[in-house]
Amino acid sequence: GAVVSQHPSRVICKSGTSVKIECRSLDFQATTMFWYRQFPKQSLMLMATSNEGSKATYEQGVEKDKFLINHASLTLSTLTVTSAHPEDSSFYICSAQQDSWPTTDEQFFGPGTRLTVL
Amino acid sequence: DAKTTQPPSMDCAEGRAANLPCNHSTISGNEYVYWYRQIHSQGPQYIIHGLKNNETNEMASLIITEDRKSSTLILPHATLRDTAVYYCIVRVARDSNYQLIWGAGTKLIIKP
Repeated sequence: GAVVSQHPSRVICKSGTSVKIECRSLDFQATTMFWYRQFPKQSLMLMATSNEGSKATYEQGVEKDKFLINHASLTLSTLTVTSAHPEDSSFYICSAQQDSWPTTDEQFFGPGTRLTVL
Repeated sequence: DAKTTQPPSMDCAEGRAANLPCNHSTISGNEYVYWYRQIHSQGPQYIIHGLKNNETNEMASLIITEDRKSSTLILPHATLRDTAVYYCIVRVARDSNYQLIWGAGTKLIIKP
């Protein structure tokens, strides 16, 4: 149980285009989903936290108009990178958490999406 | 800012116990310690977590010092498939959510 999927696993796009990444919790309902970015040989950096039906909370320095997050259902969150540029190339990882505040649960991570912007 | 410090890399012989240390001297009383690992170009995998008491599951054991300023993850019989980056993480409460504060991790290499 507790499987999180991401689609696509890899995407290559041209500079200026928008890319949508999906994150799904396959066998549980995720009240909270998280989006991370990871550059080569670095740790995960939290981009935003989203609760189902609410606006996402973005970390300092993350542009909310560039990284659009939609958590429309308890099993699906999407991250859209708008007008992507080469510096947006990175490994994007989502995670999902089952229980809501203040109960505890570990975050279950997706396999990640490798974005390359040419 | 990361709340944990770990050695950047460690080696361990296959079949031996791998002991991965972590310092979290600024941890607060209600903040949990989590361990995840990440195999190259994959999503992180949950290993174990704890608050005060030592914990054990089918993957590993977690030993937390009495003052909670440090902990050790123990993989009892390391295999080649345990080669990965291991992250010691403090979970903090923020804005009615829990967030994982990731450190730099330890690259563990299991050698035959």
